[in-house]
Amino acid sequence: NAGVMQNPRHLVRRRGQEARLRCSPMKGHSHVYWYRQLPEEGLKFMVYLQKENIIDESGMPKERFSAEFPKEGPSILRIQQVVRGDSAAYFCASSPPGAYEQYFGPGTRLTVT
Amino acid sequence: AQTVTQSQPEMSVQEAETVTLSCTYDTSESDYYLFWYKQPPSRQMILVIRQEAYKQQNATENRFSVNFQKAAKSFSLKISDSQLGDAAMYFCAYRSGVYGNKLVFGAGTILRVKS
Repeated sequence: NAGVMQNPRHLVRRRGQEARLRCSPMKGHSHVYWYRQLPEEGLKFMVYLQKENIIDESGMPKERFSAEFPKEGPSILRIQQVVRGDSAAYFCASSPPGAYEQYFGPGTRLTVT
Repeated sequence: AQTVTQSQPEMSVQEAETVTLSCTYDTSESDYYLFWYKQPPSRQMILVIRQEAYKQQNATENRFSVNFQKAAKSFSLKISDSQLGDAAMYFCAYRSGVYGNKLVFGAGTILRVKS
């Protein structure tokens, strides 16, 4: 069973561009979580999604950030008009229904120049 | 809101020795889960050990064990027979058993292993 996959692993964007981060959960996992890790800090929850539904977006910045998990395909975290403060590692985790453990992908390191 | 505190920014241990990483948390809930994750230089988050709050018995996974003190809201990680591959950042995390599925992480402890 392949683990959680994220791509790209590294992404460089200029200020004002859009960043799209993708996450494919483990097989059989229908719950996806996104976390952000700023330099020298712990991970902070951003959003929790199930197929076609956003369940909890309490950690998402109100502007420029959005997430989706369509019926088919990977979950997407989208950051519009990126700023230098968006530079961070973005981790995706997944879990099967009813489980309390979350399994993490390798992360996407976003650098905004 | 729940908070997780790791008071040791950095720890060192000699190879083959034992080290304990501290974690305390604040919650008013009685049903929850606690985790330790390891983040090596590759930055991959690896689940090390988990504990259900309703279980009194401390979890153990090979050389890793926890000391779960529910009344004190303490959840320390003990690594026995430390190996060079244990060098990493370690994060303590909390998950509510009732309100939502998100993990709340501490700030992390860097563990250095000396040969």
